[in-house]
Amino acid sequence: LAKTTQPISMDSYEGQEVNITCSHNNIATNDYITWYQQFPSQGPRFIIQGYKTKVTNEVASLFIPADRKSSTLSLPRVSLSDTAVYYCLVGDLTGNTGKLIFGQGTTLQVKP
Amino acid sequence: ETGVTQTPRHLVMGMTNKKSLKCEQHLGHNAMYWYKQSAKKPLELMFVYNFKEQTENNSVPSRFSPECPNSSHLFLHLHTLQPEDSALYLCASSQDDAGYGYTFGSGTRLTVV
Repeated sequence: LAKTTQPISMDSYEGQEVNITCSHNNIATNDYITWYQQFPSQGPRFIIQGYKTKVTNEVASLFIPADRKSSTLSLPRVSLSDTAVYYCLVGDLTGNTGKLIFGQGTTLQVKP
Repeated sequence: ETGVTQTPRHLVMGMTNKKSLKCEQHLGHNAMYWYKQSAKKPLELMFVYNFKEQTENNSVPSRFSPECPNSSHLFLHLHTLQPEDSALYLCASSQDDAGYGYTFGSGTRLTVV
């Protein structure tokens, strides 16, 4: 499974756009990029997933450059309730190799 | 409510006790997982079940014993635990064990005294 590197923590203010970048230099051809959000004492929640270019849903956008060695999760106009840990995961979704292995994640603190 | 229900939400047990954690999903998923999350550490994958068969045991001590009677239910039987086993235990399910679209439960906060 490809190793990911993301900042340990980030601070932001309400109403700002937050971009969290994840590095995955050894991403393989079959790997997808998935982001999860976790609040304290709760299980992670799926946010968004992509393979290349840009993916957008009602919660976030995911930008993936052509070389796919990194990806950026973009949260528009964050609020206090977006304070959470955000995990970037990379893995093959086919066969039996797609186990989700979590790293340290990025702790986002949104301030008023 | 995520579609994956874990009970109990909180559990305090002594080192000589035997207890069980329960996980239930009605999402029609075929794979179920147990993860452990200790304080300030990443989630650690413990067990994977696919169509009721265990497909992965991530070197978990035998004092943790999983059971999967059907695709909708998963148990984690606990006995002779240590204080360092105190953690948040999370159950997840997915359509198959390829890692796509995991749905997690809210977890059981376990404290071993």
